[in-house]
Amino acid sequence: QQQVKQSPQSLIVQKGGISIINCAYENTAFDYFPWYQQFPGKGPALLIAIRPDVSEKKEGRFTISFNKSAKQFSLHIMDSQPGDSATYFCAATIGNFNKFYFGSGTKLNVKP
Amino acid sequence: DADVTQTPRNRITKTGKRIMLECSQTKGHDRMYWYRQDPGLGLQLIYYSFDVKDINKGEISDGYSVSRQAQAKFSLSLESAIPNQTALYFCATSDPKEGGNTGELFFGEGSRLTVL
Repeated sequence: QQQVKQSPQSLIVQKGGISIINCAYENTAFDYFPWYQQFPGKGPALLIAIRPDVSEKKEGRFTISFNKSAKQFSLHIMDSQPGDSATYFCAATIGNFNKFYFGSGTKLNVKP
Repeated sequence: DADVTQTPRNRITKTGKRIMLECSQTKGHDRMYWYRQDPGLGLQLIYYSFDVKDINKGEISDGYSVSRQAQAKFSLSLESAIPNQTALYFCATSDPKEGGNTGELFFGEGSRLTVL
């Protein structure tokens, strides 16, 4: 049973548009939610992360929105660029970072 | 040189063969992980190790074994490979206290394994 459910599996967005990727979880003990970005032929790399004591975190064009009551969080990419084309993984872990549970991934294609 | 190095990067083998994937790191991290990536399934944890004497099973450890030879080296073995072990395998390291206490995972570039 997947601990973190991610959607959509793939996403096509025009350059300049907004990309939105959603994740949901069940385990209320999770207290740290990172997003990883993976380019073809490379390993995933940390993009942005949030703790559940805030509802939003923004870093440049990337924003995480967090809804603790709904047990959902999402990644928004504003003004999407072709260079953002990659696979994105949401994840969740508990405070000691022993194990990360990853979503199934979203392949984003930003068309010029 | 990459901080987390995986060898081989690509390997094609036959059913029943023994395969070892190796990972070495120069980050000085105690924690090391092996993940498997399959399309539509994301990253699944196979094994993890918090120091040389500590080995733990992940979500999908059946059919795999690991060895932590040193702080910097963590190997994944498939004793008798089968076709459904065809996947992309990633090694990762972390230090919970680094990077502002985020537990950030640092991944290698992956080892693509094909079992015929």
